[in-house]
Formats: sequence, C-alpha cells, structure tokens
Amino acid sequence: AQSVTQPDIHITVSEGASLELRCNYSYGATPYLFWYVQSPGQGLQLLLKYFSGDTLVQGIKGFEAEFKRSQSSFNLRKPSVHWSDAAEYFCAVGAWSDYKLSFGAGTTVTVRA
Amino acid sequence: NAGVTQTPKFQVLKTGQSMTLQCAQDMNHNSMYWYRQDPGMGLRLIYYSASEGTTDKGEVPNGYNVSRLNKREFSLRLESAAPSQTSVYFCATLSGAANTEAFFGQGTRLTVV
Repeated sequence: AQSVTQPDIHITVSEGASLELRCNYSYGATPYLFWYVQSPGQGLQLLLKYFSGDTLVQGIKGFEAEFKRSQSSFNLRKPSVHWSDAAEYFCAVGAWSDYKLSFGAGTTVTVRA
Repeated sequence: NAGVTQTPKFQVLKTGQSMTLQCAQDMNHNSMYWYRQDPGMGLRLIYYSASEGTTDKGEVPNGYNVSRLNKREFSLRLESAAPSQTSVYFCATLSGAANTEAFFGQGTRLTVV
C-alpha cells in the first residue's frame, strides 16, 4: 500500500523568501504524485502533478516540484512567496491500479510580512 | 460549470442521529471517493466507487455506508453518528483515464454533539 509523509507540520516564511515543502512517499511501482493546496474553509486545488517524463514539473501560482526516485521524494518549491500563499499544502500519491489516492498529513504555511 | 457538488455544507447532529451526505458530479467521471479531513491527519479515504455499481472500503470505513446511485451521485450515510465522526468530509472524482487528477467538492463540515 502506498503512503505519504510530510515531515513539516508548520512552516513560517517571510514574504518574498523562498519556500520548500518536503514530501516522501512509499509505493512499489512508479507513482503518480500530486500537490494540492487548501485555503481556509475551502476545498482542495491542484497545484501540480507528476506522471512521467521530466522530473521537474511546473504548476500554477509559480510553484514547481521535483521528483527524485532515488530519494522517494517530491518536494514543492516556490522562489518568492506571496502573502496569498498562506494555506495548507498536501502531497498525495496515486495508485490508479487500485483506484486510491493517499494524502500526507499536510503542511501549514504561514507568511509573515 | 459545477464540477463536484456536496450538500449540505454544514451540519450539526446529535449523537445517535443519522444523516446522508450527498455528492454529485457533472464531469462524467467513473470513480468517486469520500474522504474525511481531521487536523494533523490529512485526508483519509472512507469509501470509494471505482465505477457505477461498485463500492469498496478505504482506510476508515467503520460507522459509514455508501451508495453509488448512478454515475453522477455517490452518497455517504452515517447511521448512528458519534462525536468521533466530527470532521470535514470531502467528495472527490476521478475520470479513470491516464494523466489525470482528482477533483474535489467544497466539503461538508459535520459536528456531532
């Protein structure tokens, strides 16, 4: 069974600074990997996804993520954070062969002025 | 352009009461899912339906039942609500085709007192 670990529960970053959120997964085959963002009181919005090919994927809102098979990681990055990036971020791994999408516990990002 | 619609958005139940959470999608997707979101635990899969006419248990199915009424609708029923079921519930859909992602409803915030 697949699983996802997000080691950081909460990250505080200054506006304009860079941001990196960590995600490690466990899955026997090549995974489908996702990052979702959830603003307070809202549903989940897809930031980016990885299925195959180029290991550096670009997403919306200036985010990117890099798939590293050797480290079983899919870390999310943004070069310069905006106050509107304050939200909760979820990494997820998909196993469409058994129709399940597993989520990490989430990382809450606070942006200070 | 509704996507995935959940009703109700908010609900307060007394312990022992029953209720059904409704989910409808207009995306013509095959697979539908029910997740619950609790602080520090991410999203956990309750039940899913890979296609019309099939349902399967996820990680935390106890205390819940589901019905895949047709391709569009997937309901979640709490027969006898317990305070431990206080949570935010999300419905999601997936087309089943390659290179796709899950789409989420806006969530139902349920409080059991």
